[in-house]
Amino acid sequence: SQTIHQWPATLVQPVGSPLSLECTVEGTSNPNLYWYRQAAGRGLQLLFYSVGIGQISSEVPQNLSASRPQDRQFILSSKKLLLSDSGFYLCAWAGGGGWSPLHFGNGTRLTVT
Amino acid sequence: AQSVTQPDIHITVSEGASLELRCNYSYGATPYLFWYVQSPGQGLQLLLKYFSGDTLVQGIKGFEAEFKRSQSSFNLRKPSVHWSDAAEYFCAVGDPTSGTYKYIFGTGTRLKVLA
Repeated sequence: SQTIHQWPATLVQPVGSPLSLECTVEGTSNPNLYWYRQAAGRGLQLLFYSVGIGQISSEVPQNLSASRPQDRQFILSSKKLLLSDSGFYLCAWAGGGGWSPLHFGNGTRLTVT
Repeated sequence: AQSVTQPDIHITVSEGASLELRCNYSYGATPYLFWYVQSPGQGLQLLLKYFSGDTLVQGIKGFEAEFKRSQSSFNLRKPSVHWSDAAEYFCAVGDPTSGTYKYIFGTGTRLKVLA
């Protein structure tokens, strides 16, 4: 069966520090991969999605970036965190090659201090 | 602009009462529609989905949703709510005509269940 792993579960980082959140999927090939951010009362904001290795679509211009170095690995990064980057970050995957439901990881709670 | 609206931010119901959570979308074509549930501090779990066919869709945990094209709605229902249903519920859409595989979420409805 397919599983998605996202880590770390919680992270406290000072303003200006770098960020790296990792997400991996097991049990499927060529998935579509997504990063969402959730802020209180604002639902889920799509940050990045990828339909293949090296293909990244950015939805929100900001100081975050994403990379997909391997088929089932999706990384969210920042060179310098801002206070406004605090939030709950969710990775998700869906079957590639067509529309299918998203499957979510357990999320990372990021607090920028 | 394409959008998904969940008009109710909070809903409180008594255990055993019926439940309806509203979702409206604004898309040119019929989108793919989903309902997810999120427990505090957790990821989202799929309750049900609609792609085509029968407009009344059955999901897990006793939930169902009805697609109404004329009202651009996809409301989630449950005949009798259990205390364990207290959570946040999200409606999501995908636009099959967009040429992308983006899923857009509503702002969510937080459900409180009274004993």
